[in-house]
Amino acid sequence: RKEVEQDPGPFNVPEGATVAFNCTYSNSASQSFFWYRQDCRKEPKLLMSVYSSGNEDGRFTAQLNRASQYISLLIRDSKLSDSATYLCVAPHTGTASKLTFGTGTRLQVTL
Amino acid sequence: GAVVSQHPSWVICKSGTSVKIECRSLDFQATTMFWYRQFPKQSLMLMATSNEGSKATYEQGVEKDKFLINHASLTLSTLTVTSAHPEDSSFYICSARVPDSQVAFFGQGTRLTVV
Repeated sequence: RKEVEQDPGPFNVPEGATVAFNCTYSNSASQSFFWYRQDCRKEPKLLMSVYSSGNEDGRFTAQLNRASQYISLLIRDSKLSDSATYLCVAPHTGTASKLTFGTGTRLQVTL
Repeated sequence: GAVVSQHPSWVICKSGTSVKIECRSLDFQATTMFWYRQFPKQSLMLMATSNEGSKATYEQGVEKDKFLINHASLTLSTLTVTSAHPEDSSFYICSARVPDSQVAFFGQGTRLTVV
């Protein structure tokens, strides 16, 4: 099983829709996770941290399900500007100082 | 969030030459920085962990003599791609973790094209 696994998409949704991504992780000891957003040809930017049960910031909600070892990202009322690749990040198994990135889920919001 | 600055943002060089990329943490001290490489439509791949005052730790398959890393101060790490070849063309990104946190912030990335 990969350390971090994501559906690459693309997810094509109309503006205003609600969309959710899941990300599974293999290291059951991991305590914290992150969602980053990466625009084409740009660096990743931190979107949300996910500790314990979850986190909410405006239209974005991240949740952690330890029993099933996955985290989710929910985006409500999608905007055109939400179009990007969303990276799921978890501590590296064996070396917690390093981070492991998923391959990313591509979101395309259309008119 | 914290600021990590990477320079240059893009560079084109001839095959066989060397290219140096700088990564600076502007508002915090980073004892550890990370260097990644990303090929088109692929995920970030960790190349090495840069440790201030000591040797870098390289990931399996990454040639340490080709990708020289120097972390001489708490705010600066450099990656030098030596004897660059066209297959080294990629997007190189550094990141640094805020002390006592696992949150990482990234530099703007350097797009290297070797011709």
